[in-house]
Amino acid sequence: QKEVEQDPGPLSVPEGAIVSLNCTYSNSAFQYFMWYRQYSRKGPELLMYTYSSGNKEDGRFTAQVDKSSKYISLFIRDSQPSDSATYLCAMRGLGSSNTGKLIFGQGTTLQVKP
Amino acid sequence: DAGITQSPRYKITETGRQVTLMCHQTWSHSYMFWYRQDLGHGLRLIYYSAAADITDKGEVSDGYVVSRSKTENFPLTLESATRSQTSVYFCASSDRAQETQYFGPGTRLLVL
Repeated sequence: QKEVEQDPGPLSVPEGAIVSLNCTYSNSAFQYFMWYRQYSRKGPELLMYTYSSGNKEDGRFTAQVDKSSKYISLFIRDSQPSDSATYLCAMRGLGSSNTGKLIFGQGTTLQVKP
Repeated sequence: DAGITQSPRYKITETGRQVTLMCHQTWSHSYMFWYRQDLGHGLRLIYYSAAADITDKGEVSDGYVVSRSKTENFPLTLESATRSQTSVYFCASSDRAQETQYFGPGTRLLVL
């Protein structure tokens, strides 16, 4: 079983829809949670970064962490065609503070249709 | 150019050949990482480095070798390429271990 599970999709939604992307994980030591966005044939770029449980909002994006359920989510409001990309969740524990090692999910491919 | 660059961007090689992928960053970041990205597996860590001359293995290091004689460079060598090493390779760097990792544009490697 992988430490981090993410539905690869693809997920196709109409423009303006609310998108929900999710990851589950098995390692209770994970404390830091990230969402990266990757456009086709590009490197990933950090979108959201949260520590422990709770919500974090940045414009149309909201990251949510539920450590009790070992479940994280990324919500995209008013989705735009420019949001079409692959979204990767990533996480690490306190033990990785000295190494920076991240564990990534498989990535979910999102297509937002005009 | 400022940032993190990788070369070559595309590479075709044959089984058994040695291949070196280059990574260069201009930020003087201490930490550098090599990942491979494959369908169904996401990004998997091959090697990482905390500073010049300090490297350590990641999740999928077999068949790969790294070096870091200078802070800004982190080359990845496939000693004897195999078809299973066909993948997209990404280099990343961060200022400190817990800081954001910035990724390069990737190298697409095909091993025939």
